[in-house]
Amino acid sequence: TAGITQAPTSQILAAGRSMTLRCTQDMRHNAMYWYRQDLGLGLRLIHYSNTAGTTGKGEVPDGYSVSRANTDDFPLTLASAVPSQTSVYFCASSDSPAFYTDTQYFGPGTRLTVL
Amino acid sequence: AQTVTQSQPEMSVQEAETVTLSCTYDTSESDYYLFWYKQPPSRQMILVIRQEAYKQQNATENRFSVNFQKAAKSFSLKISDSQLGDAAMYFCAYRNDDKIIFGKGTRLHILP
Repeated sequence: TAGITQAPTSQILAAGRSMTLRCTQDMRHNAMYWYRQDLGLGLRLIHYSNTAGTTGKGEVPDGYSVSRANTDDFPLTLASAVPSQTSVYFCASSDSPAFYTDTQYFGPGTRLTVL
Repeated sequence: AQTVTQSQPEMSVQEAETVTLSCTYDTSESDYYLFWYKQPPSRQMILVIRQEAYKQQNATENRFSVNFQKAAKSFSLKISDSQLGDAAMYFCAYRNDDKIIFGKGTRLHILP
């Protein structure tokens, strides 16, 4: 199985443009997550979804939106990108909706540069 | 608010030796999970080991083990018989309900 795939691998985006980062998992996991990783700040949770049809805000949700129309896909959208959104973005999934009992599996990441 | 602190930005260890990475956290909760993740140059995050706070026994996975001190809120990772493939960034993470907090990471160098 592929596990979690993310697309694109990397992207350079002009400020003010919109972009959707794609994330797909084939493990039928209930929960999915989006993180950003910045040097010196570690990983920070942007949004999460406990199950298809529901989403929640993480630590740094501003400027990002997500949707969870089905179990497998969890796209992250930047409506109007700003340079501070330059980062590496990781998608992750876990089997159980009970947050504190499960193990997260991470995708390979997307490197986004906003100019 | 919960916090996770990794006080060692970088560490080095000789191949085949043992190294311990430190992690401390702050929480008022009693029920939570702790994790160590490895991030090699490929950037993918790989789960190394996890510990349930209600378990007194320290988790072990092959060459990786933890020293979990709940009262001290300490969760260190010990890597035995270090191998070149262990070179990576290591992140400590805390989870409770809908919160997950990561430390800033420790870069581990393996010296041949």
